[in-house]
Amino acid sequence: QSVLTQPPSASGTPGQRVTISCSGSSSNIGSNTVNWYQQLPGTAPKLLIYSDNHRPSGVPERFSGSKSGTSASLAISGLQSEDATDYYCAAWDDSLHGVVFGGGTKLTVL
Amino acid sequence: DVQLVESGGGLVKPGGSLRLSCAASGFTFTSHRMNWVRQAPGKGLEWVSSISIGTTYIYYTDSVKGRFTISRDNAKKSLYLQMNSLTAEDTAVYYCAREGVAADYSFDYWGQGTLVTVSS
Repeated sequence: QSVLTQPPSASGTPGQRVTISCSGSSSNIGSNTVNWYQQLPGTAPKLLIYSDNHRPSGVPERFSGSKSGTSASLAISGLQSEDATDYYCAAWDDSLHGVVFGGGTKLTVL
Repeated sequence: DVQLVESGGGLVKPGGSLRLSCAASGFTFTSHRMNWVRQAPGKGLEWVSSISIGTTYIYYTDSVKGRFTISRDNAKKSLYLQMNSLTAEDTAVYYCAREGVAADYSFDYWGQGTLVTVSS
């Protein structure tokens, strides 16, 4: 059972906009920034969004992050077939004194 | 280019020990906190441990406290994870991850991972 809660799966059609939610608590998302990772099969995770809504260099503008209270969301607009993979949210937890990850969301592009 | 290269993984019996290493290059090692993150087969990501630049601040996930020790050698630009009293639940790919300049525990570079298998 992960500290951060993500839906196990999400789906959309090419060109559509999809969002993936990440729910936490006051000790993690409520008081610290959220980061999102994309993991292609058999590869190391890649930082997609940091500090709630910032994109690292090279990440397409189609990817965006937002946060409100103890929840965060990753939005992907103009969905493409190559976006079909796993996504994880993460944040520092003040009570656990550690980084907590969501369980991951598998995105399917129909 | 930033590179993180892990080594030291392998097959070990329950109760055994293993030391993982991560060689860093292409960036100023002493400007970044470093972390270990693991992923059990078919499972999600789990943060394991973090070490500050000067090693003053070290944190572990509860399941490895007292068994794992993180360390770093800034002169050698290397990160280590000493793992003792290993159990089957420690079987995973272990990634070395650099914390980005935002200093918000975002991991902007990852190694390719090294597989640790605990089995008799």
